[in-house]
Amino acid sequence: DTGVSQDPRHKITKRGQNVTFRCDPISEHNRLYWYRQTLGQGPEFLTYFQNEAQLEKSRLLSDRFSAERPKGSFSTLEIQRTEQGDSAMYLCASSLDRVGSSTEAFFGQGTRLTVV
Amino acid sequence: RKEVEQDPGPFNVPEGATVAFNCTYSNSASQSFFWYRQDCRKEPKLLMSVYSSGNEDGRFTAQLNRASQYISLLIRDSKLSDSATYLCVVNMASGGSYIPTFGRGTSLIVHP
Repeated sequence: DTGVSQDPRHKITKRGQNVTFRCDPISEHNRLYWYRQTLGQGPEFLTYFQNEAQLEKSRLLSDRFSAERPKGSFSTLEIQRTEQGDSAMYLCASSLDRVGSSTEAFFGQGTRLTVV
Repeated sequence: RKEVEQDPGPFNVPEGATVAFNCTYSNSASQSFFWYRQDCRKEPKLLMSVYSSGNEDGRFTAQLNRASQYISLLIRDSKLSDSATYLCVVNMASGGSYIPTFGRGTSLIVHP
């Protein structure tokens, strides 16, 4: 399977614990995005990487959230001291960005986080 | 005001009906436009890109009006399998680049 993959698919954690999610994008894609989606809403942008550089972070991304893409390939999203409001689907997407054009983003199946 | 606005629906239509979804966006510098489909508890998947000249793919027709900052999706001869949430996506200009920005989605229910 050469699509975007995310791990784990589901995560249940106790409030206050730290969690880390992984995303493996499509191999030739230079852009990687993280989104969060709650019931009845569209995906909300969190942050994105161009290769290994994190170029933008949403106001939604509090200090408890951190993302990395150390070698411009896979990425991790860590949430520290989880809160019940962090419960959501975390989606990763990748795309190929060329100078002067932007292509469609392809999504992974998401990691569903439940904070109890 | 949200950057990408859609009527959440739900749109409840019989098989064979024609249904249209609309979407407006706030940033006139937006570049590319897409419709995605999302089934319940699944990830969004690209349905079609939207071009200025309008484009058609089988029963689906997408149109873009840059002057009005408006995008539409028309589905003809609806099938039961078309039941899903349809997400309008706009590549919004941000810091010299573009970020795919989603509407909240429009729910479609096609019934027998």
